[in-house]
Amino acid sequence: QQPVQSPQAVILREGEDAVINCSSSKALYSVHWYRQKHGEAPVFLMILLKGGEQKGHEKISASFNEKKQQSSLYLTASQLSYSGTYFCGTETMDSNYQLIWGAGTKLIIKP
Amino acid sequence: GAGVSQSPRYKVTKRGQDVALRCDPISGHVSLYWYRQALGQGPEFLTYFNYEAQQDKSGLPNDRFSAERPEGSISTLTIQRTEQRDSAMYRCASSFGRGNTEAFFGQGTRLTVV
Repeated sequence: QQPVQSPQAVILREGEDAVINCSSSKALYSVHWYRQKHGEAPVFLMILLKGGEQKGHEKISASFNEKKQQSSLYLTASQLSYSGTYFCGTETMDSNYQLIWGAGTKLIIKP
Repeated sequence: GAGVSQSPRYKVTKRGQDVALRCDPISGHVSLYWYRQALGQGPEFLTYFNYEAQQDKSGLPNDRFSAERPEGSISTLTIQRTEQRDSAMYRCASSFGRGNTEAFFGQGTRLTVV
């Protein structure tokens, strides 16, 4: 079952913060976050495995809630290079190692 | 190689023709995934290999689609009797292990069926 990402799109000024959410109707085994720039391949950001886990990657961090049904990606002091579409890929206990991907959140950063 | 390599980058074919899309994963990567990605959408799982074994092909749309990875390295996705609805970006990804490891995506093959 496809996870729900919100918002679908967000426009920010450089330096502003954004939060992207990824929700599932059932408990997840893991959540993977990727960023894809226009015309390019998706690029790995981070994986979260444990309920309550938080991870950081420069000014991009993510959390995985205790029930393991929602993950949020936090972008602070956004830079022009953060523009792109952000996808979460989710894995459940019975998904046989395959990821089910959300529809993506398009992030536009304006100078 | 340095990254996941896919060929061709672009393929235009006539309806009814067969096409073969190639993926050369990062050396040493055990797992290989095929996805289809529509414009503005997330990747859609097609099939997955662990070494040469096809572990899951539940995402293949119908029996016109098949994939192989005979020596546990290069993989080929074949679409027989192509239809216009097969037009899409086909992406390959590889990872060192299965499950919770970083996947590296190739640049994809843009297939257009006319």
